[in-house]
Amino acid sequence: AQKVTQAQTEISVVEKEDVTLDCVYETRDTTYYLFWYKQPPSGELVFLIRRNSFDEQNEISGRYSWNFQKSTSSFNFTITASQVVDSAVYFCALTSGGGADGLTFGKGTHLIIQP
Amino acid sequence: EAQVTQNPRYLITVTGKKLTVTCSQNMNHEYMSWYRQDPGLGLRQIYYSMNVEVTDKGDVPEGYKVSRKEKRNFPLILESPSPNQTSLYFCASSLLGRVYEQYFGPGTRLTVT
Repeated sequence: AQKVTQAQTEISVVEKEDVTLDCVYETRDTTYYLFWYKQPPSGELVFLIRRNSFDEQNEISGRYSWNFQKSTSSFNFTITASQVVDSAVYFCALTSGGGADGLTFGKGTHLIIQP
Repeated sequence: EAQVTQNPRYLITVTGKKLTVTCSQNMNHEYMSWYRQDPGLGLRQIYYSMNVEVTDKGDVPEGYKVSRKEKRNFPLILESPSPNQTSLYFCASSLLGRVYEQYFGPGTRLTVT
């Protein structure tokens, strides 16, 4: 069975600080996909990134960066110079992708950016 | 525009009153699914469908029904809602075999009193 663990239930930082959200996953599949979603207070899910298991290259998109390490089964997300608009719940998710199983989500990390 | 739509977006109802939440997609996707999101629990899959007339249980199917009579629609049915079904519900769709490219709907916030 697949599992995603987001151990940080809530993180609170002051604006402009850097913050890292942790994600640890478990799967027996050799091919799998990892995701990060943002859920602002309005409730919709905003797709941030998808990574497949064969691509361990780290990615940077503006203030966002992702560190994928298969050796530790982790897919961590860092926000640099955080802003109040980054306040949201962030979900990490996993799927093998090719079958009928949907996404397995972590429980989410509530990020609070204080002005 | 490619999209998944859900209706209603917000619903307050009473225990035992049957309700249906509709989900529709315009991308000709075979695969559709429903998730519920509860505080501290993340999203959990309720039911999924791999094509018309093909549905199967996800992780938390109790108290729900679904149907897939048309490819574009995948309604979620609560025949006798209870307060523990108060939740935020998401519908999603993708091409078969490409669940890693799921499109999510905007969510339906359901309150059962």
